[in-house]
Amino acid sequence: AQSVAQPEDQVNVAEGNPLTVKCTYSVSGNPYLFWYVQYPNRGLQFLLKYITGDNLVKGSYGFEAEFNKSQTSFHLKKPSALVSDSALYFCAVRDRGSTLGRLYFGRGTQLTVWP
Amino acid sequence: ETGVTQTPRHLVMGMTNKKSLKCEQHLGHNAMYWYKQSAKKPLELMFVYSLEERVENNSVPSRFSPECPNSSHLFLHLHTLQPEDSALYLCASSQDPPLRERTDTQYFGPGTRLTVL
Repeated sequence: AQSVAQPEDQVNVAEGNPLTVKCTYSVSGNPYLFWYVQYPNRGLQFLLKYITGDNLVKGSYGFEAEFNKSQTSFHLKKPSALVSDSALYFCAVRDRGSTLGRLYFGRGTQLTVWP
Repeated sequence: ETGVTQTPRHLVMGMTNKKSLKCEQHLGHNAMYWYKQSAKKPLELMFVYSLEERVENNSVPSRFSPECPNSSHLFLHLHTLQPEDSALYLCASSQDPPLRERTDTQYFGPGTRLTVL
């Protein structure tokens, strides 16, 4: 069965500090991995994805994520947080052999960046 | 954000009403999705359409009825809903690539906030 775990409901960090939002996954085959961000009263915006190749993926707004196959993790990171990064972040996974559009999402992590 | 649009953005309806949610994508994609987002729960995939044909229906109650008249438009018809159906309904679209390259990214609309009284 495919699943995604985001172990932290809430992450708080001071502006300028590095941030990490954690994600672990479970798929039966090799995964495609995604991060999305949701601002209040908005839909999900695509941030970045891992398909193959370099384990460190760079995305929008200075975010990056590191794929770790042995730990089945895909943590989202940013070297220096901004107040405007405060939002709800979702990790998602798809098994490469899955049917069309079958993305599995985590419950989301609320990131709050304090000024 | 203008790639996938949804109307209305907010909807309040009684349990006996009939209403429809509309989604339109301007990205040239050929697959469209309906998701339900409830507080503190993962996104729930409701329906998937590929090339205007419904390819997935995740045990959604019959009070939700999707319609995809063409690859750019997707509707969700609602009737006799329950208060527990109150949620944010998100539409998404993607490009369905060949089987060996399922790397398509889903792009989401802003959602319709539905409240059932």
